[in-house]
Amino acid sequence: QQPVQSPQAVILREGEDAVINCSSSKALYSVHWYRQKHGEAPVFLMILLKGGEQKGHEKISASFNEKKQQSSLYLTASQLSYSGTYFCGTEGAGGYQKVTFGIGTKLQVIP
Amino acid sequence: NAGVTQTPKFRVLKTGQSMTLLCAQDMNHEYMYWYRQDPGMGLRLIHYSVGEGTTAKGEVPDGYNVSRLKKQNFLLGLESAAPSQTSVYFCASSTLRGEKSYEQYFGPGTRLTVT
Repeated sequence: QQPVQSPQAVILREGEDAVINCSSSKALYSVHWYRQKHGEAPVFLMILLKGGEQKGHEKISASFNEKKQQSSLYLTASQLSYSGTYFCGTEGAGGYQKVTFGIGTKLQVIP
Repeated sequence: NAGVTQTPKFRVLKTGQSMTLLCAQDMNHEYMYWYRQDPGMGLRLIHYSVGEGTTAKGEVPDGYNVSRLKKQNFLLGLESAAPSQTSVYFCASSTLRGEKSYEQYFGPGTRLTVT
């Protein structure tokens, strides 16, 4: 099943923080995060494996709560370059499993 | 190192016509994927391949066929195009961690319009 992302859209001013959430109804092995700028291909940000680890990428970090089957992406001190659509992708446990993407969260950072 | 390339970049088809989209990767990746992206729907997996000569159905496989005769290439075919297949198509390939997929590298996309 497709993971649920929230919010669907958010507008920030430069320097503000944001959190994007991703939840699944099935047991997860990993959560992937991608960013897509308008008219471009999605670009990998990070992957979180079960174990509750938190990873970072520039001023973007994420956490994964495998018991709640949820992940959150944290964007701190946002920059104009952070604008785009953020997708989470979830991967189930057990052997090879397809990554299923959410519908995305559109983030716009304004001056 | 070109990464993942897709041809063509744009295409307009009439209903009932057929076409093949070509994806090529030069990273020696085992796994390859075809997605379609429609407004408000996110990325939906059409077909994927876990190695040369193998293919499997994704979430929305109807109306599409695929082939992976060479490890570096993954072809997506539309036998009889329909307006519902108007979309942006992305190909991707990924590295592995054991048998699990890891980072996916996406091609630039093909914008297909079916009239």
